[in-house]
Formats: sequence, structure tokens, C-alpha cells
Amino acid sequence: SQKIEQNSEALNIQEGKTATLTCNYTNYSPAYLQWYRQDPGRGPVFLLLIRENEKEKRKERLKVTFDTTLKQSLFHITASQPADSATYLCALDRGGGADGLTFGKGTHLIIQP
Amino acid sequence: EAGVAQSPRYKIIEKRQSVAFWCNPISGHATLYWYQQILGQGPKLLIQFQNNGVVDDSQLPKDRFSAERLKGVDSTLKIQPAKLEDSAVYLCASSFTSAGELFFGEGSRLTVL
Repeated sequence: SQKIEQNSEALNIQEGKTATLTCNYTNYSPAYLQWYRQDPGRGPVFLLLIRENEKEKRKERLKVTFDTTLKQSLFHITASQPADSATYLCALDRGGGADGLTFGKGTHLIIQP
Repeated sequence: EAGVAQSPRYKIIEKRQSVAFWCNPISGHATLYWYQQILGQGPKLLIQFQNNGVVDDSQLPKDRFSAERLKGVDSTLKIQPAKLEDSAVYLCASSFTSAGELFFGEGSRLTVL
């Protein structure tokens, strides 16, 4: 079955630096991949979607890459701010004709002032 | 535009009791999902509806969980009888298409004692 791995430990980054989060997957070739942000006590909020034929996607300070050979997506936040502190979830389409998303456990990002 | 509405936000019950959660998706969204998120984990899909029909309930523990979306709009998720391991946040999400971004509600936090 498909497996998604994200950094299990919290990631501490100095304000102003670039934060890079990793999402690896196995046993699967997704058609697209999505990234969500989740704050404590809130539902996830969609950030970016990247398709298998796209190498990179940008939105303001966010950048996502998708390497189908390495089976990996990288999520970058440039010029990070304390307000970027949250849990970031990677999600893949479930494939095999099934709809919906399979989520990773998420990476807790802490931006220190 | 109003977001996905869920209620109740919090519920505490004893094991073997029953509980029901309600969800009102974004207007016009045909696809509705229920996810279960256990503390420290990513959301796990329980059931997906397309209009008022079930598309996928393969991960729904049908011996105790049930869900319906009778008129293709609101949905309810019921647990009967509840077990300790059902303690989690139950997230409802909707999307315009089955392959697009998901819009999540704030979730219903269930504690089973």
C-alpha cells in the first residue's frame, strides 16, 4: 500500500531563513500532490497543488517541487516568519481510480524570532 | 463565501455511548469527505460522498461507524458504540471536483472516556 513519510520531528528555523520540508512516498505514482497547513485546533488549509508533469510550483513565498523519479516533494518557505509556524501536511491522490487524498503525518515547523 | 460548517466542536462521552457529528459543506460542492485525525497523525479518510451517493467507504469501521448524506448537501457521521480508540478529531471536507483542493471544517473533537 502507499506510504507517505514526512519529517517526524519538529523543524526549528531562524526567522528570515528558508524552511525546507520533505515529503517522500513509496509504492505509488501519484497524479498530483498537495500541501496543507494546519494550525492547532483548526482544520487543514490548502496551500499548493502540483501535478506529476510539473517540476515546480510557486505562490508568493512558497515553492513546491515534485520529483517523480526520487518519489519526493520539497516544500520551501522563503523569508520565513514566526507566523509561518504550523504543521504542514503533504497529501497525495489515492490513485487506482480512487478519489480523495492520503495524508502524511505532517511536519511541525517552528520559526524562531 | 461561507466555509465548511461542523458541529459540535467538542464532545465528551463514555465508551459504549453513541455520538453524531454534522457537516454542512460549501454550497455547490458535490464531493464531501469525512476524515479522522488522531493526535499526532495526519487525517485518515473514512468515507467519501459524491452528491448523495457513497464513492468510497473502504476505511470506515462499519460495525460501529455510519454516515449519510441524504439530500446531497448536509452529512452526519455516527459512532455507535464508541470505543476509547475513537478519541480523535473528525474533520469534514468538501471539494468542487473529486480531484481538486479540499476545504476543511474546523473539526469535531471527540473524547471517549
